Amino acid sequence: GDSVTQTEGQVALSEEDFLTIHCNYSASGYPALFWYVQYPGEGPQFLFRASRDKEKGSSRGFEATYDKGTTSFHLRKASVQESDSAVYYCALGERGGNTGKLIFGLGTTLQVQP
Amino acid sequence: NSKVIQTPRYLVKGQGQKAKMRCIPEKGHPVVFWYQQNKNNEFKFLINFQNQEVLQQIDMTEKRFSAECPSNSPCSLEIQSSEAGDSALYLCASSPGANTEVFFGKGTRLTVV
Repeated sequence: GDSVTQTEGQVALSEEDFLTIHCNYSASGYPALFWYVQYPGEGPQFLFRASRDKEKGSSRGFEATYDKGTTSFHLRKASVQESDSAVYYCALGERGGNTGKLIFGLGTTLQVQP
Repeated sequence: NSKVIQTPRYLVKGQGQKAKMRCIPEKGHPVVFWYQQNKNNEFKFLINFQNQEVLQQIDMTEKRFSAECPSNSPCSLEIQSSEAGDSALYLCASSPGANTEVFFGKGTRLTVV
């Protein structure tokens, strides 16, 4: 079945560092890909999505580019802030049945030190 | 910011008790999802609806789980006889359509003691 793999379970950075969180997917065709962020005690917040090869999604300084060749959708930010500390989830939209069901990765906890 | 409203935010039930949680999807969003997020942050899809019709559901965990999305009323998820393993964050989400943006509520944190 379709799946999403996030390589890093935890990332620790200092303010103004560059962030990369790796996301690879396994699915046929061109599934929609998503990034969500979840703060403690909250539900996941939608960051952005992309659905075509080479399409770039972006929001709040975060960005990711859909790469069909490497089946990846890596999240990047040029300069992180302490307020970016949260759990980040990569997800894909399951295409079978066209129900919009999301399949999530296991999440990456980002800790940014001031 | 998401406009999906979930109530209650916290729910504590004894084993064997019924647990019910509600969700008002964002206005104009016909697709509604329920997910369970466990303490390891893993998401488990439970069910989704388009308007009042079920699109897809898991084998609703031994039939103890039921959900509905009636017209002109909040959607609901109910666990008939709660078990300790049901303790989790239950997330409702809504979407303008399949494979478009999905917006989540803040969740209902269920603790079964």
